[in-house]
Amino acid sequence: EAGVAQSPRYKIIEKRQSVAFWCNPISGHATLYWYQQILGQGPKLLIQFQNNGVVDDSQLPKDRFSAERLKGVDSTLKIQPAKLEDSAVYLCASSSDTGELFFGEGSRLTVL
Amino acid sequence: AQSVAQPEDQVNVAEGNPLTVKCTYSVSGNPYLFWYVQYPNRGLQFLLKYITGDNLVKGSYGFEAEFNKSQTSFHLKKPSALVSDSALYFCAVREGGFKTIFGAGTRLFVKA
Repeated sequence: EAGVAQSPRYKIIEKRQSVAFWCNPISGHATLYWYQQILGQGPKLLIQFQNNGVVDDSQLPKDRFSAERLKGVDSTLKIQPAKLEDSAVYLCASSSDTGELFFGEGSRLTVL
Repeated sequence: AQSVAQPEDQVNVAEGNPLTVKCTYSVSGNPYLFWYVQYPNRGLQFLLKYITGDNLVKGSYGFEAEFNKSQTSFHLKKPSALVSDSALYFCAVREGGFKTIFGAGTRLFVKA
């Protein structure tokens, strides 16, 4: 069974530029999550989708972050414009109704 | 609101000795509790979960965890540590709606 795929693995941009991350969840998993993990901290939930609907986006900085999950499968997380404090690893995860999350390798963003 | 606390930033143990990584939680209903492990430059991997039933749950790589409702704890344990167990461990809790939040993480260092 294929795992959660994410790309790119690494991205370096300057502040005020934009960036997009892509995630393909495990086939059949209805729930998809984007987490932000800053170095030395635990993952922070940014947004959670159930199929193609948003379940929770309370911690998503909506003035600069956006996410979509077209057709309830792939998802894209965008940051525009990026700030220095956005430097982090962006983790995508998916789950079925058994509860545990399956994570991708993550996308490491460095904002200069 | 749900929350997770991991009181120790780092746990040091000698190879062959038992290990415990502590976790306490706060939720308003019945908790779903999880442990994940993260190796350098990798995403998080699911270790084990508690949903209902026996308070002692067994997971991957010889790890187990004990659910204690009165103390609201879910400590991770292993009878005999290996050097290869050295990694970052995260406790997580889910409360309704599939929203899963993570603790800050505990770094486990197993010395040969």
